[in-house]
Amino acid sequence: AQKVTQAQTEISVVEKEDVTLDCVYETRDTTYYLFWYKQPPSGELVFLIRRNSFDEQNEISGRYSWNFQKSTSSFNFTITASQVVDSAVYFCALGATEGYGGSQGNLIFGKGTKLSVKP
Amino acid sequence: DTGVSQDPRHKITKRGQNVTFRCDPISEHNRLYWYRQTLGQGPEFLTYFQNEAQLEKSRLLSDRFSAERPKGSFSTLEIQRTEQGDSAMYLCASSSLAATRSYNEQFFGPGTRLTVL
Repeated sequence: AQKVTQAQTEISVVEKEDVTLDCVYETRDTTYYLFWYKQPPSGELVFLIRRNSFDEQNEISGRYSWNFQKSTSSFNFTITASQVVDSAVYFCALGATEGYGGSQGNLIFGKGTKLSVKP
Repeated sequence: DTGVSQDPRHKITKRGQNVTFRCDPISEHNRLYWYRQTLGQGPEFLTYFQNEAQLEKSRLLSDRFSAERPKGSFSTLEIQRTEQGDSAMYLCASSSLAATRSYNEQFFGPGTRLTVL
């Protein structure tokens, strides 16, 4: 079975604090993709990052960084120097790789972590 | 704007009525997905199309739900005899192997919020 767990339901920080959102996944696929999406109050899901299971290098994009650890099945997301505009619900998702059977193409989302950044 | 669009954005209906939602994917995206999102939950997969072919349906998609993508472009999702439990945000997403080298990178529309009274 495939599953994504985001244990943190809500996190509240003060602006400029660093914050890490946790994501743990389960899959039997040997090749898979992991994603993070942001859902601001407006409701539209915004794609942030995609990571291939073959690539365990951490990635940094501006204030955002992602730590992928296959050994612990985790794909954590860190926001450095958080800002009020970062307030949103963040979803981690798992996708199966084309051609590996099972659910090909759809994403399996966690329940999300609501981040509130206070000024 | 070349993003995914959905219509209507909001729909209020009475229990037992039929409703239909439309999704226009990003131009030339050959895959189109429908998800449902209830309050406090992540999106849950309903079904997806590759071109006009419906390739997979979730167990969540009861007999009252039907989806079409007749010409491989826009798609419609119809719910017959709506129930209060159908109240949710219905999200559409599209993707293209050619554009991103992965079917899984999906771009989402703004959603249609359905309220069944």
